[in-house]
Order: sequence, then structure tokens, then C-alpha cells
Amino acid sequence: SQKIEQNSEALNIQEGKTATLTCNYTNYSPAYLQWYRQDPGRGPVFLLLIRENEKEKRKERLKVTFDTTLKQSLFHITASQPADSATYLCALRHYNNAGNMLTFGGGTRLMVKP
Amino acid sequence: DSGVTQTPKHLITATGQRVTLRCSPRSGDLSVYWYQQSLDQGLQFLIQYYNGEERAKGNILERFSAQQFPDLHSELNLSSLELGDSALYFCASSVGVGDAETQYFGPGTRLLVL
Repeated sequence: SQKIEQNSEALNIQEGKTATLTCNYTNYSPAYLQWYRQDPGRGPVFLLLIRENEKEKRKERLKVTFDTTLKQSLFHITASQPADSATYLCALRHYNNAGNMLTFGGGTRLMVKP
Repeated sequence: DSGVTQTPKHLITATGQRVTLRCSPRSGDLSVYWYQQSLDQGLQFLIQYYNGEERAKGNILERFSAQQFPDLHSELNLSSLELGDSALYFCASSVGVGDAETQYFGPGTRLLVL
């Protein structure tokens, strides 16, 4: 069966360190993968998109890598700040999906301590 | 603020009842998506409409239905409600149905079925 897995345990790091979150998938052929940020009780906010033929994407302090052989994406936040504390969701668009259907992982909660 | 509005913010109802959730997309966006987020299931895609027509369907129950009106707002109707339907319901919108479109999420409607 198709699965998108993110570490369900919270990730606690110290301010200034690099946070690395993992998204693993099985039985998908993703056209692209997206990362979203979600704060408690609010809707997800789009952060970055990376296509299957791209290895890495950067935006300010954010970096995403995509390894279709390992079926894994890594999401990095460098020089992390307490304001980065949130839940981060990865989402795939499968090639066989009609429309723009996204399938989301369960999310990883990040806590950045001052 | 994503520009997507959802009403109501909170809804408390009883089992067996029917409710309607409303979504107004960002100005200019033709695609509307509905998602359900519960603690045990995560963020699940329900259905997508594009310019009034159904475009993609996820694991939407038969008790649930949606439509998109000529003014592009959308409604999600949930009937014969069960306790397990308690969740956050998000609407998202995007410009169209092009590849890799960014989805902008609304603030959500929190539904509690008692």
C-alpha cells in the first residue's frame, strides 16, 4: 500500500542549530513533493516544492533535498529560531493523480528552544 | 492571511444531523480543494473542484458532498453525522489546475459532533 511517513515524535533542538526533518514514501511515483508549515489550529502554509528531477531546493534558511532512489526527502532549517516551532508536513503529488490531489504525511512537530 | 475564507470557524452539532461548510477562494483562483484533518488520520484530501466542475476525488464518504458555485465559492455538505466526523475541515484554493500549483489553505472549520 502507499505510505508517506514522517517522524511522529517531536524534534527538539536548540536555537541556532540546524533542524532536519525526514519524509519517506513507498509505492508512489511522485511528480513533485511539497513541504508545508502548520501552526496549531491553523491551515497549512506552503514553503517549498521540489520536482522529481531536482536534487535540492533552497529558500532563505530552508533547504529541501529529494532522493527518488531512497524515496526520501529531507527538510532542513538552518540557524533555527523559536519562531520556527511548528508542525511540518510533506505532501506528494502522484503522477497518476487526477487534478492536483496532494497526499500528506502525518507531520513532524519541531520545537526550537531558546 | 492566505486570502481563503471559511465559515463558520466552529460548529457543534449532534449525531445524525447535517451541516454545510462554506469556503471562498482567493480572488482569481478557480480551483477549490477540501481536506479533513483528524488526530488519527492526519490531513486527508476529500475533493477538488475547478471552475464549477469536479476535478478529483479522494476518500470522500458518500454522506459527504460538495459543489462549487458560479461565483466560485464552494460548500461542503456533511450529512448523517457520526462522532468520527469530528475534525478540522480545511478548504484550499489555487489559480487553476496547472502542474505544481501552490495551494493556499483557509483557517479551517472545527466540527464537533456530540
